Order: sequence, then structure tokens, then C-alpha cells
Amino acid sequence: EIVLTQSPATLSLSPGERATLSCGASQSVSSSYLAWYQQKPGLAPRLLIYGASSRATGIPDRFSGSGSGTDFTLTISRLEPEDSAVYYCQQYASSRSTFGQGTRLEIK
Amino acid sequence: QVQLQESGPGLVKPSETLSLTCTVSGDSITSTYYWGWIRQPPGEGLEWIGTISHSGSTYYNPSLKSRVTISVDTSKNQFSLRLISVTAADTAVYYCARAHIVATDLFDYWGQGTLVTVSS
Repeated sequence: EIVLTQSPATLSLSPGERATLSCGASQSVSSSYLAWYQQKPGLAPRLLIYGASSRATGIPDRFSGSGSGTDFTLTISRLEPEDSAVYYCQQYASSRSTFGQGTRLEIK
Repeated sequence: QVQLQESGPGLVKPSETLSLTCTVSGDSITSTYYWGWIRQPPGEGLEWIGTISHSGSTYYNPSLKSRVTISVDTSKNQFSLRLISVTAADTAVYYCARAHIVATDLFDYWGQGTLVTVSS
């Protein structure tokens, strides 16, 4: 099983700032099969990024993903109040897909 | 626009079977996409349960494989989850979802989720 560890656990930033969220894998994620989701309270997760860096349909270009191997990053530039949410990374490379424990992003 | 809706009992007794159905609209369950179940215990993270293909092939989380069955009912455009011998640890919001075209366990359309509580 590939274990994903996200950091930081919580991030508190102001509107207009840049957020950098990290996801580390216990072993290399082949073909960069790494995704990022956004989840707001009471709602289902929303796919943001797949293939480590490809934006899903309708996702603004403020959201970008990067990384390969065992280290991946989600960057949100020019934070807006509605970006307040929990963000999860997911690897879907192995026969057992796993998620990270999440990073809570608070907008001050 | 694809829409998914979970349905089923919100309360299940310990040792009994959890059964949920996902009704799909805006797409055919027999299309080329895969369909999956994911769960989230209250206040916790996400856990992939399993995925079924349009042809009925199934892939399960090894930690749940002995207790899980996912099936498709093409006549009703639905797919279902069955989890036997439940315990309190199976209490969670259960989501059904459609997989993205590029991968079987990457989900781009989700249902709203349904809370299932395991309690006597």
C-alpha cells in the first residue's frame, strides 16, 4: 500500500496570498498518477488536478499541480475566500488507491 | 450532465449487511466509464472501497475485499454496494462516483453522499 502524507495539517492564509500544499508518498507513484481534491463542509470532494499537473474540467488556472516520484505539490495562487476547504491528494497508480489525510486551508 | 444519487438505510445493526444503491442519470451505466464507491468516517479522511467496470469487472480495496461486493443493474442504470458483517468502524458517509476517462480510480463526478451509522 502506498501511504500518502500531507503537510501541513492546517494552513491559514489571507486572500490574495499563495498556498503551497505538499503530498509525500511512501514509494514512487508511477506515471504521476496523483490527484488533488477539494472538499468543503457537507459536500462531496471535487476533483481539481489529475496526472499530477492536469487541471480537471472547469478548474481555474489559480490551481496548479506539480511533482513526480514521491513528492507532489498543489499550489493555489491568489487565494480567494471560497478556497477555504480541506484538500486531499490521492494516488491511483497501484491496485489499491489511497488518499492522504488532508490539509485544512483556512482563509483569514 | 452526469448525476449520481446514493440511496439506502441510514442505520444498520452490527454484524448485519450494509446495502446501498447509486442511481445514475445523464449517462449510461454501460458506457466506457468505471464506477466506484468511496467512504469517509465522520471527521476523517477518504477511503476507496472499490470500482466496477461497465462490463462488470470489479476491483476492491484489499482491506475490505472479504466483505465487499459491488454489482451493476443495467436495466435500472444503477450500481450497488454490499458490505457484510458491519461494525461501528464502518460508520461513514458513503459516496458513489464515476471514474474519469483516463483512469479507473480517479473520480470526477460524485454523488452527494449518504451517512450510514452502524449501531444497535
